[in-house]
Amino acid sequence: GAVVSQHPSWVICKSGTSVKIECRSLDFQATTMFWYRQFPKQSLMLMATSNEGSKATYEQGVEKDKFLINHASLTLSTLTVTSAHPEDSSFYICSARGLDEQFFGPGTRLTVL
Amino acid sequence: AQKVTQAQTEISVVEKEDVTLDCVYETRDTTYYLFWYKQPPSGELVFLIRRNSFDEQNEISGRYSWNFQKSTSSFNFTITASQVVDSAVYFCALSEAITGTSYGKLTFGQGTILTVHP
Repeated sequence: GAVVSQHPSWVICKSGTSVKIECRSLDFQATTMFWYRQFPKQSLMLMATSNEGSKATYEQGVEKDKFLINHASLTLSTLTVTSAHPEDSSFYICSARGLDEQFFGPGTRLTVL
Repeated sequence: AQKVTQAQTEISVVEKEDVTLDCVYETRDTTYYLFWYKQPPSGELVFLIRRNSFDEQNEISGRYSWNFQKSTSSFNFTITASQVVDSAVYFCALSEAITGTSYGKLTFGQGTILTVHP
């Protein structure tokens, strides 16, 4: 089946630094990728929808200047958390949409000290 | 707006018991998709089922079965003869249909933590 990878799988950083998370579709082209965030013991919440070659669409309440999304190719989308703070510590999960199906990545656990 | 409600926050059963996880949804779309995912402690989502709103047939896959009732906007999930390995968080989700066979962003329920004791 289709595989979506995320890198890194976990990251620890200091407050104020920026962190980039990659989401790759390994064996299919994904014109659309979705970024979700999951706080501990909570559900997954959509942050933004990323379309290849165009600007991302952010959900209400998500700061687009803080969570930069780039979908420069049909197999790669990146999420950059700029000036991260402890409250940004979370589990970030992407999903990539192929022709008719979406596949989730394994997630990236971000801890900001 | 779409909404998914999983009223059961936590369920605890003993191995071999049957357990049903409830899911109720709200949507104004006439065509939509419903999903169930399993999230073990590793965090990676495991896809269990996708169901189109036009297909109300119940489905069985091994020990898993799903009951879709449009009249009550419910999509319940039953595990028969539960096992310790079934312990995980289970999410029900809803998505609008983009085309006849494609779908968009997912709206997740709050999740149900299932613990199966030996």
